[in-house]
Amino acid sequence: GAVVSQHPSRVICKSGTSVKIECRSLDFQATTMFWYRQFPKQSLMLMATSNEGSKATYEQGVEKDKFLINHASLTLSTLTVTSAHPEDSSFYICSARPGVAGHIQYFGAGTRLSVL
Amino acid sequence: AQSVTQLDSQVPVFEEAPVELRCNYSSSVSVYLFWYVQYPNQGLQLLLKYLSGSTLVKGINGFEAEFNKSQTSFHLRKPSVHISDTAEYFCAVIKETSGSRLTFGEGTQLTVNP
Repeated sequence: GAVVSQHPSRVICKSGTSVKIECRSLDFQATTMFWYRQFPKQSLMLMATSNEGSKATYEQGVEKDKFLINHASLTLSTLTVTSAHPEDSSFYICSARPGVAGHIQYFGAGTRLSVL
Repeated sequence: AQSVTQLDSQVPVFEEAPVELRCNYSSSVSVYLFWYVQYPNQGLQLLLKYLSGSTLVKGINGFEAEFNKSQTSFHLRKPSVHISDTAEYFCAVIKETSGSRLTFGEGTQLTVNP
């Protein structure tokens, strides 16, 4: 149980285009989903926290207009990188937390974004 | 201020040797502690967690960790490693006052050599 599916696993796009990444909880309802960014050989940095039906909470320094997050249902959150540029190239990972009071997050397999 | 410190960025060991990956945290409030493993180009898999109760926690793949409140540590151990344990290991903490916000350490690359 507790499977989180992230799609696509890899995407290559041209500079200036937008890319959407999906994160789905397959066998549980996720009240809260999280989006992380990971640079090579580095740790995960939390970008934003999204709660179903409300606006995402972004971490300091993360542009909300650049990284659009939608959490329209209890099993799906999407991250859209708008007008992507080469510096947005990174590994993006989502996680989902079942229920309201749990402390465990289950992670997707990640999306490797390469912007040319 | 860094909340989680993993003291070793790289740990090379030989197969069947014991290993300890060190993790220290800083917090003035209660914490919940986690170890995750990441294989290349993949997401994170939960190895084990400490939420409350016994300070020695056992996880998957033969790993265990001990919560030491006085030393603010949560070191990960395995008595005998396999080649397949080669991966990046992350220690992470949730502070009781931060909701479910996970803060990760810098990671430790464990390389198991034959």
